[in-house]
Amino acid sequence: KAGVTQTPRYLIKTRGQQVTLSCSPISGHRSVSWYQQTPGQGLQFLFEYFSETQRNKGNFPGRFSGRQFSNSRSEMNVSTLELGDSALYLCASSLTLQTSGANVLTFGAGSRLTVL
Amino acid sequence: AQSVAQPEDQVNVAEGNPLTVKCTYSVSGNPYLFWYVQYPNRGLQFLLKYITGDNLVKGSYGFEAEFNKSQTSFHLKKPSALVSDSALYFCAVRDGGGSYIPTFGRGTSLIVHP
Repeated sequence: KAGVTQTPRYLIKTRGQQVTLSCSPISGHRSVSWYQQTPGQGLQFLFEYFSETQRNKGNFPGRFSGRQFSNSRSEMNVSTLELGDSALYLCASSLTLQTSGANVLTFGAGSRLTVL
Repeated sequence: AQSVAQPEDQVNVAEGNPLTVKCTYSVSGNPYLFWYVQYPNRGLQFLLKYITGDNLVKGSYGFEAEFNKSQTSFHLKKPSALVSDSALYFCAVRDGGGSYIPTFGRGTSLIVHP
């Protein structure tokens, strides 16, 4: 059974540019969540998608957006990149919404973004 | 509302010794508690969870965690540490009484010395 796949694994951008990250969840998982991981802040929740709709959103500015496709694959986009956006971006999938029950998350290996 | 704290940024232990990684939480309702581990250049992997029932929960790789309601704690333990257990450990909590996304702790780096 394939795990959660994130692409690209590493990328370098400059301030002001935009970036798109991709996530393919485990087959059968309909929920995809995105997290930002930094040494200082730990794991911060960005948003969760389920059935192509954003169901939950964390406390991030509008520069951070996402979408989910009919096959449950998801993308997140960050526009007008800032130095502080340098982080590991993790995607996690689960069978159902995180806000119902005690779902276990399966994480991808992450996309490490460096903003220069 | 919910919150979780991992009071130690780093835990050092000798191989073969028992290890404990601490986690305390705050929720209004009943807690759902989780432990995840992150190895270098990898995503987080699920270790174990507590929903209800027995206070001692057994998980992957020989890890276990003890739920203590009076102390609002959910410490991760292992009787005998291995060098390969060296990793970053995250505790997470979700208030089962509400529609909240689980909150993760800031993580504890476990270093097991040979």
